[in-house]
Amino acid sequence: GQQVMQIPQYQHVQEGEDFTTYCNSSTTLSNIQWYKQRPGGHPVFLIQLVKSGEVKKQKRLTFQFGEAKKNSSLHITATQTTDVGTYFCAGKSGGSNYTLTFGKGTLLTVNP
Amino acid sequence: DAGITQSPRHKVTETGTPVTLRCHQTENHRYMYWYRQDPGHGLRLIHYSYGVKDTDKGEVSDGYSVSRSKTEDFLLTLESATSSQTSVYFCAIGLAGVVGELFFGEGSRLTVL
Repeated sequence: GQQVMQIPQYQHVQEGEDFTTYCNSSTTLSNIQWYKQRPGGHPVFLIQLVKSGEVKKQKRLTFQFGEAKKNSSLHITATQTTDVGTYFCAGKSGGSNYTLTFGKGTLLTVNP
Repeated sequence: DAGITQSPRHKVTETGTPVTLRCHQTENHRYMYWYRQDPGHGLRLIHYSYGVKDTDKGEVSDGYSVSRSKTEDFLLTLESATSSQTSVYFCAIGLAGVVGELFFGEGSRLTVL
């Protein structure tokens, strides 16, 4: 079945440093979504990418969808303590009608 | 705004007992999902529903059953709970049609002793 791999599993940064997490799928995706989960909280939707090569920005966050639609990345510029949490990617392949497959997530911690 | 209520939020039970988790939505969203979250495994889909009485299995459905007799309620049942089912369970609704944005509930923490 479809697999979505996410790296790194953990990332610790100093406040102000940049952060990137990568997502790779074993199959071509029709879309990819990103979620953030604060410690003790529930996942919250951040963004969806649909087009090959698409790039979207939300303030300090930049999301990319690969040309082959099999990989994606989330980059945070100048991290802040409010960025702490686990970031998940989730993809839909053509074979699944109603479901997303989630990566295992990247836990970001920020040292003030 | 979409609203989801999960109940109970916390439950401790013993091996072999039945457990039912409830997910209630305040709007008429068609797609509803049950995920479990465990350290090192991320979010794994248990079951999902694409309409009243229309449900299907996810990747970790063994030991779980679901029912959806009304649009607003999606129930997850563990017929005979095992320690391996200790987890945090999240219900989610699909806000934007087929495999669009998911809106998650606050989770139900289940401990099976």
